[in-house]
Amino acid sequence: QSALTQPASVSGSPGQSITISCTGTSSDVGVSWYQQHPGKAPKLMIYELTKRPSGVSNRFSGSKSGNAASLTISGLQAEDEADYYCCSYAGSTNVVFGGGTKLTVL
Amino acid sequence: QVQLVESGGGVVQPGTSLRLSCAASGLTFRNYGMHWVRQTPGKGLEWVAFIWYDGSNKYYADSVRGRFTISRDNSKNTLYLQMNSLRADDSAMYHCATDRSSSYLDYWGQGTLVTVAS
Repeated sequence: QSALTQPASVSGSPGQSITISCTGTSSDVGVSWYQQHPGKAPKLMIYELTKRPSGVSNRFSGSKSGNAASLTISGLQAEDEADYYCCSYAGSTNVVFGGGTKLTVL
Repeated sequence: QVQLVESGGGVVQPGTSLRLSCAASGLTFRNYGMHWVRQTPGKGLEWVAFIWYDGSNKYYADSVRGRFTISRDNSKNTLYLQMNSLRADDSAMYHCATDRSSSYLDYWGQGTLVTVAS
């Protein structure tokens, strides 16, 4: 599977909502999203397309329309500024990531 | 809490070898499959290898197959990546990550940096 396509950057003001798209996913069950702050480990934010791990704010939500998965962050906060990566996991040898999206909170 | 701590990275010459380690704590290590994922500023995240919870099956990306070997020691809660015949394009931050579901990577380490240069 080829790498997934994400916008290089998105921005929004505090309190607004933003959506990051991810095209090219082949499986709904295997879609996940990761947040990474500079110098830190990636953190799982959404798994199996729409599910949130325990401890992740309900401001983060996942969805899919057609061939594009999306991550929506509502009520933007300064701490949300980070890189976000989508991932398609369609088997033990079929793990593919998007190129990453840099979120800037204005 | 779950902690994954990678080590073993460094600056090496092309054609040489390196072994990375990933020490896990705060979880029942033997219950988790484990991945290595590498990250570069230019290419982003790239999946490298995966090993089943018991070490019985191993999978590799085409770019490293035949050169890299993933292994684990469940008695030491440690994952390894033996990297041979290193090339410049292997230069990256190498992260280990857990996998209990076969559909997502639960926890990640901060990574260890590998630089291959002459």
